[in-house]
Amino acid sequence: AQSVTQLDSHVSVSEGTPVLLRCNYSSSYSPSLFWYVQHPNKGLQLLLKYTSAATLVKGINGFEAEFKKSETSFHLTKPSAHMSDAAEYFCVVSGVLTGGGNKLTFGTGTQLKVEL
Amino acid sequence: KAGVTQTPRYLIKTRGQQVTLSCSPISGHRSVSWYQQTPGQGLQFLFEYFSETQRNKGNFPGRFSGRQFSNSRSEMNVSTLELGDSALYLCASSLDPLTGGNTIYFGEGSWLTVV
Repeated sequence: AQSVTQLDSHVSVSEGTPVLLRCNYSSSYSPSLFWYVQHPNKGLQLLLKYTSAATLVKGINGFEAEFKKSETSFHLTKPSAHMSDAAEYFCVVSGVLTGGGNKLTFGTGTQLKVEL
Repeated sequence: KAGVTQTPRYLIKTRGQQVTLSCSPISGHRSVSWYQQTPGQGLQFLFEYFSETQRNKGNFPGRFSGRQFSNSRSEMNVSTLELGDSALYLCASSLDPLTGGNTIYFGEGSWLTVV
């Protein structure tokens, strides 16, 4: 079984300050982990993914995430927030289903607000 | 390379009606999955198709069904619509994870409102 816990439902930062969105996961095997972003009235866009190569993963738009097995965490960070980063962010763990195919288990999402 | 395309983007239906949503995956992707997103339940897995076969199904009633065509395009159908079916329905495509393709790409979604 796999699960994801996003520790904050809302995060508010000022433009130009760092962003930290926290995610803990549970998986009975070596997981594939993702962060997706959803802007209002849009679908999900892949920010980055971890698949057991480097533990520090760089994504699009300056985001990165660090996989820490000992802490079962995969927190998303960005050094300097931009107004366009305001959106909902989902931490996701992927598993291969019994019949083949991927199944994504989503966290409940973190709404990021960026203020001037 | 075109992304995942979903149609229609927005639709309004009446309780008891049925609806069909369409999804064209990224070229070369043969796995198509569907998710329902609602404010109360978040994102939930509906089902996944590969090579015209439903490989996996989430915990949804039989009113939710789907199919996949030989060109990998997929449709999902919801019959006897209920108010609670109002949601954003997201289609996603990927290569077959059994051959290393575990990154899933999403479409923009179809917004269904049931009145």
